Amino acid sequence: DARVTQTPRHKVTEMGQEVTMRCQPILGHNTVFWYRQTMMQGLELLAYFRNRAPLDDSGMPKDRFSAEMPDATLATLKIQPSEPRDSAVYFCASGWQNYEQYFGPGTRLTVT
Amino acid sequence: AQTVTQSQPEMSVQEAETVTLSCTYDTSESDYYLFWYKQPPSRQMILVIRQEAYKQQNATENRFSVNFQKAAKSFSLKISDSQLGDAAMYFCAYRSASPSGGSNYKLTFGKGTLLTVNP
Repeated sequence: DARVTQTPRHKVTEMGQEVTMRCQPILGHNTVFWYRQTMMQGLELLAYFRNRAPLDDSGMPKDRFSAEMPDATLATLKIQPSEPRDSAVYFCASGWQNYEQYFGPGTRLTVT
Repeated sequence: AQTVTQSQPEMSVQEAETVTLSCTYDTSESDYYLFWYKQPPSRQMILVIRQEAYKQQNATENRFSVNFQKAAKSFSLKISDSQLGDAAMYFCAYRSASPSGGSNYKLTFGKGTLLTVNP
């Protein structure tokens, strides 16, 4: 039963600390997406990779957020320094070409 | 830019009854995909159903079916024989089918409809 995995599932941190979220896409998928879900904004795209190359990170605050795919089995989203307004659920999704995107369980981030 | 609107923040249905969730979208593209995702309290986003814009036939997955009206830019989800496990937030989503240069495969989501199923 192939699925997207994300770690950690929950993260509580203090303002100013670095946060790293990890995602393992489904084996064989060549697209990876990072979405953020908040009550106010709903679900919004932060970054998108295809064949490990970043194609769209226009939704990501560049000064504090960074996204990478060091290899085909790992995608990371880093926030440094974190702020209370970054509190949200962060989802990773993967897919093959233009077919369906399959979501991971999400990382619930709380920044105090 | 594409937008997706779900005008019903909350809906409720009696167990075993049928409910329809509404979704409208705005786009200038002719080729695209539409999806319904379900998000139960566990937060997991689960794909319910997908519709290709070039297909006239409405998609069906077991108790879930859609009413796709391309000219009206409407994409509603019908849940038949509702079950307690159907209780969740439902999101309608849009995605381009022919993104230029492969740079626009992102999903654009509506705000969601919270469905309650009453026993």
